[in-house]
Amino acid sequence: QSVLTQPPSVSGAPGQRVTISCTGSSSNIGAGYDVHWYQQLPGTAPKLLIYGNSNRPSGVPDRFSGSKSGTSASLAITGLQAEDEADYYCQSYDSSLSGLFGTGTKVTVL
Amino acid sequence: EVQLVQSGAEVKKPGESLKISCKGSGYSFTSYWIGWVRQMPGKGLEWMGIIYPGDSDTRYSPSFQGQVTISADKSISTAYLQWSSLKASDTAMYYCARDPKLTTGFDYWGQGTLVTVSS
Repeated sequence: QSVLTQPPSVSGAPGQRVTISCTGSSSNIGAGYDVHWYQQLPGTAPKLLIYGNSNRPSGVPDRFSGSKSGTSASLAITGLQAEDEADYYCQSYDSSLSGLFGTGTKVTVL
Repeated sequence: EVQLVQSGAEVKKPGESLKISCKGSGYSFTSYWIGWVRQMPGKGLEWMGIIYPGDSDTRYSPSFQGQVTISADKSISTAYLQWSSLKASDTAMYYCARDPKLTTGFDYWGQGTLVTVSS
C-alpha cells in the first residue's frame, strides 16, 4: 500500500519557524489528490489543521500554513508556541480512493 | 453543533466478536461520509475505511479489507465498525470522523473507543 513519509521529529525554540514535509508518489499526492493536516495533542483525538492543501478551518491560527507541490506537501508553523507541541499527520488519498495517513511527526518546543 | 459520539471502551478475548458505534448529531447524517481510523498504542494513524450513510457506499483500505466490516443505520444516525473474530493485534484506539465529500479531509472526530483484546 502507498505510504506518505514524514520526518519522525522536528524541534524549534519558541518563536521560530518549523516545517514538516509529507512525501508521497504519483499514485497519491502527485495524482492530484488534496493533502490535509491534523494535529494530535497527547491523549486527544486528532484535529483538522489544514484542508485542501492550504486552507485553515475556522479557529485555526494563521501561524499554521500548508502547501503542496508535485508529489509532496508541507506544513509550516511560524512563531512556534509551547502549545504547538504535538504529533502532526498529513493525509491524502490514492488512485483507488483509499485514504492514507502520513507516518507522523512529533514537534518539540525547546 | 456537530458531534460524533462513540461507544465506550471494550475489553474482549481473542476470537470474540465486537461492534462499536459512532452516533452523529447536529448535521444531516446521510449527506457526509463517516470514516474509521485506527491508532495502535504509541503508533500513528491508519485509515481503515469509510461509508456514505446515504446509500451505504463503502470503501476499505487494502490493509483492512476482509478484516473488519463498516456499516451504518441512517434511521438512528449511527455508523458501526465490527469484527467477527478479534485478535490481540486489534488492540487499539478507534476513531470515527466525518468527511464532507470523500477526499476533503476529516473535519469532525469522535472521542475514540479503546478496544483491548487480551486472554
